[in-house]
Amino acid sequence: QITLKESGPTLVKPTQTLTLTCTFSGFSLSTSGVGVGWIRQPPGKALEWLALIYWDDDKRYSPSLKSRLTITKDTSKNQVVLTMTNMDPVDTATYYCAHAYGSGSYLGPWGQGTLVTVSS
Amino acid sequence: QSALTQPRSVSGSPGQSVTISCTGTSSDVGGYNYVSWYQQHPGKAPKLMIYDVSKRPSGVPDRFSGSKSGNTASLTISGLQAEDEADYYCCSYAGSPWVFGGGTKLTVL
Repeated sequence: QITLKESGPTLVKPTQTLTLTCTFSGFSLSTSGVGVGWIRQPPGKALEWLALIYWDDDKRYSPSLKSRLTITKDTSKNQVVLTMTNMDPVDTATYYCAHAYGSGSYLGPWGQGTLVTVSS
Repeated sequence: QSALTQPRSVSGSPGQSVTISCTGTSSDVGGYNYVSWYQQHPGKAPKLMIYDVSKRPSGVPDRFSGSKSGNTASLTISGLQAEDEADYYCCSYAGSPWVFGGGTKLTVL
């Protein structure tokens, strides 16, 4: 059974850097074809794809946020870390991580999500 | 890249069929057969319902089906049930990043 869980601060101040950790079980990020993605959802709004890292350390980023995002993995710890710099109140959202697989890097299952609020 | 276009809401009565459209461009929906659909109940994480345009993951009822024509993908839910009431999001590969639709709220009357 694959499970994922996000962890990190619930409140960050504007201009600070957000660091989120996705801890997973039930699969290995050293298995060919596997990845972990990050997606966010502002309150009451749509999903937004952020970043994805593959088993071979290939990394993909949303073009609009690429300059602010960094995704890394620690295969031995079964963790993926997403950092987002220069946080702004518009970045307030629930942040999800998800297992990615298949030729289209489909996302499933997802973690429960963690709400991050950006406020001074 | 811009979000894919979905109707904000659709509705149907139990037992009926509804179709949710997802319109993109030749750079995303029209250019690749990597379209997926996610179901999200209030306060819950999304769940993959359709991938590769029309394939269903194990455990997803066959009442859910997907298709694509040109730059528009569609999700059809037949034999509507109360538990199908949720938000639905399409997603397409767009040449390295992926892009989601704006979401559609399905109401079962």
